[in-house]
Amino acid sequence: GAGVSQTPSNKVTEKGKYVELRCDPISGHTALYWYRQSLGQGPEFLIYFQGTGAADDSGLPNDRFFAVRPEGSVSTLKIQRTERGDSAVYLCASSRGAGELFFGEGSRLTVL
Amino acid sequence: GESVGLHLPTLSVQEGDNSIINCAYSNSPSDYFIWYKQESGKGPQFIIDIRSNMDKRQGQRVTVLLNKTVKHLSLQIAATQPGDSAVYFCAENNSSYKLIFGSGTRLLVRP
Repeated sequence: GAGVSQTPSNKVTEKGKYVELRCDPISGHTALYWYRQSLGQGPEFLIYFQGTGAADDSGLPNDRFFAVRPEGSVSTLKIQRTERGDSAVYLCASSRGAGELFFGEGSRLTVL
Repeated sequence: GESVGLHLPTLSVQEGDNSIINCAYSNSPSDYFIWYKQESGKGPQFIIDIRSNMDKRQGQRVTVLLNKTVKHLSLQIAATQPGDSAVYFCAENNSSYKLIFGSGTRLLVRP
């Protein structure tokens, strides 16, 4: 596609449930990033993939969060046992190597 | 330093005037600084960047100034238009891939 695509755009879930957020990066972009943005704040780094491997997952808040990119393209961010504090917009970005990051429109997660 | 909170600083300008948005960045050594524009319901969009070995860089209607002495970054928008209304974030990159975003500033353009 023309840009980074994220699905779902909105997700409402109950506390304790499992959620998956999907990111389809720009074709040919080897680098993929997940950021989390809480209301009124700037995006915060979660994880970075170069190809299929997670080169840096230091931003993941705890072991309930996990992300994969099995074929070096689409990535899935997985959150187990969701908590109300997980409510945020989860942004995905991709880049060609170390170049400019292109962000998707985000997946808004609301945990009730 | 950075401040975060639910209430973003807001800059209100008259259409056609120039806008100046400021940002203080962290103490970590950074090579590269970027300004992003974020409209409601959308992801951040790249505006302009500057390397740490530069003081000023100009784009189309936008200029970024970097003052390394006081760790200050500013974005100047000339002849501000209604379409410029958005939240603006500065970001620094002290590695090859990880961006650290500052607190945002909401720009409102009055017709």
